[in-house]
Amino acid sequence: AQKVTQAQTEISVVEKEDVTLDCVYETRDTTYYLFWYKQPPSGELVFLIRRNSFDEQNEISGRYSWNFQKSTSSFNFTITASQVVDSAVYFCALMGGSYIPTFGRGTSLIVHP
Amino acid sequence: DVKVTQSSRYLVKRTGEKVFLECVQDMDHENMFWYRQDPGLGLRLIYFSYDVKMKEKGDIPEGYSVSREKKERFSLILESASTNQTSMYLCAIQLAGVEDTQYFGPGTRLTVL
Repeated sequence: AQKVTQAQTEISVVEKEDVTLDCVYETRDTTYYLFWYKQPPSGELVFLIRRNSFDEQNEISGRYSWNFQKSTSSFNFTITASQVVDSAVYFCALMGGSYIPTFGRGTSLIVHP
Repeated sequence: DVKVTQSSRYLVKRTGEKVFLECVQDMDHENMFWYRQDPGLGLRLIYFSYDVKMKEKGDIPEGYSVSREKKERFSLILESASTNQTSMYLCAIQLAGVEDTQYFGPGTRLTVL
């Protein structure tokens, strides 16, 4: 069985602060994919990143960075110099051999001006 | 660009009504999914389909059915809506291939009175 845990239900920061969203996963599959999605107040889930289990390189995209560590089964997401537009619910997801993703419960990020 | 459309952004229905939620994609993808999203529970899979006239139950199929008569359209049906089906409903499509990623529609916020 697969499991994704996002222990942080809600995070509140002030603009320009850095913030890290945690994601811990469990799977017995040796090949799997990890994802992050952003859900702004409008409701649509926006795909941010996909990582496969064989690629542990960290990735940076502008103010966003992702830290994948198989040793701790974690795939954490950091936003540098947060902005009000980053306010959203962020979901981490895991997809194994079944190609049916398992989603975490989401972390609500509130960035105050 | 991947495009997934859902028939309504907001819908209000009465208890006992039959409700149709439609999802249409324009990329000839085979795999389509229906989720419901509730605060604190994340996304839960209701039904999915790998091809026309095929359907598979997800984690919470009770009270729902689906229809897929054409490849581009996947409908979620609430035979007799109940208040506990008030929720956000999200449709997703999945790109075929080795690395699958789900792309989501804008969602339908359904309120059952």
